[in-house]
Amino acid sequence: RKEVEQDPGPFNVPEGATVAFNCTYSNSASQSFFWYRQDCRKEPKLLMSVYSSGNEDGRFTAQLNRASQYISLLIRDSKLSDSATYLCVLTGGGNKLTFGTGTQLKVEL
Amino acid sequence: DAGVIQSPRHEVTEMGQEVTLRCKPISGHNSLFWYRQTMMRGLELLIYFNNNVPIDDSGMPEDRFSAKMPNASFSTLKIQPSEPRDSAVYFCASSRGGLAEETQYFGPGTRLLVL
Repeated sequence: RKEVEQDPGPFNVPEGATVAFNCTYSNSASQSFFWYRQDCRKEPKLLMSVYSSGNEDGRFTAQLNRASQYISLLIRDSKLSDSATYLCVLTGGGNKLTFGTGTQLKVEL
Repeated sequence: DAGVIQSPRHEVTEMGQEVTLRCKPISGHNSLFWYRQTMMRGLELLIYFNNNVPIDDSGMPEDRFSAKMPNASFSTLKIQPSEPRDSAVYFCASSRGGLAEETQYFGPGTRLLVL
């Protein structure tokens, strides 16, 4: 089983739609969780951290479910500029991040 | 402020040649990471340094790969000899401290094509 699993998509949604991605992980010892965003042919950038209590940043909401070992990202009122690949990231062993292969989102007019 | 700087941005080489990728981390950052990204395997950590010392190189694929960090502002990743399966985007990232949960800032990447 992969350490981090994501549906590769693509998720094609109309502008204004709400879309959600899930990510499952296998290492129950993982302590920190993040969502990174990667635009086409660009570098990954931190979108937000994910906390057990859930956290929100504008149109973006992230949730962590430790019992079921998954994290989620909800995007409300999707914009064209949200089109990107969203990478699920968590701390593995030591001082390392483990990246999922990403979920591609395409927001269309 | 300048972000992480990588050079070259693109590299095309022939199988068997030596390839050297360069990275300048953000000033003041103590940790530096080298990643490789491919469509099939996603983003994989190759090696990381803390205070210029290699901490974990378990992701380095084989002896053909080597990395150095001679000072706080410069690191290299070398592939010798290169093979077509090394074709990928190589990212360098840096973070302020030595904790995994600290934000990593990525450079623009080097797109390597080995023919």
